[in-house]
Amino acid sequence: DTEVTQTPKHLVMGMTNKKSLKCEQHMGHRAMYWYKQKAKKPPELMFVYSYEKLSINESVPSRFSPECPNSSLLNLHLHALQPEDSALYLCASSQDRPGSAGNTIYFGEGSWLTVV
Amino acid sequence: QKEVEQDPGPLSVPEGAIVSLNCTYSNSAFQYFMWYRQYSRKGPELLMYTYSSGNKEDGRFTAQVDKSSKYISLFIRDSQPSDSATYLCAMTFTDKLIFGTGTRLQVFP
Repeated sequence: DTEVTQTPKHLVMGMTNKKSLKCEQHMGHRAMYWYKQKAKKPPELMFVYSYEKLSINESVPSRFSPECPNSSLLNLHLHALQPEDSALYLCASSQDRPGSAGNTIYFGEGSWLTVV
Repeated sequence: QKEVEQDPGPLSVPEGAIVSLNCTYSNSAFQYFMWYRQYSRKGPELLMYTYSSGNKEDGRFTAQVDKSSKYISLFIRDSQPSDSATYLCAMTFTDKLIFGTGTRLQVFP
């Protein structure tokens, strides 16, 4: 079983709503990630937090706003989304940054988001 | 040319077959290589992690890396219906994890 926990598992929201996705890990990992995955496509990186600081933002629209309250928690705040933002949103974590020797990235089960 | 190329399949094999999944890459800076398994509507599950050329075995799974040819493989021995999933290769350098497009595998009884 994955040790990266994501809530909610499913979310349906209107284009004017504000909602948040939450992620938690208790492995002592210092890097956390948000990925977006569309059907039959590989995960696409959105954000990377390293030691609680945002280190990578892959030119993600501002309607997605990440937050890392502490080393175990990662949130993704959603506002004014579009139907094309409907996807599986995956949280992941690793001991250190991706390019570090021996570093492996573990994914949560994901949050299925539908924007109507 | 994509940085990581992977045959999308689908690949359909009978139970007990040996499965070979492959990825090629173009950037020689990639240092660390992973294989993930993703069941339908689930998150990717890490199967194998390697960083040097050669083979690494874990149960029915063997990961192979050939850095000189920029080629990695995952072999599954004695395949089972429960192995039916999408398999994603992934590799890293600097701060990014780059995925292949994934290969859908179907193992039928």
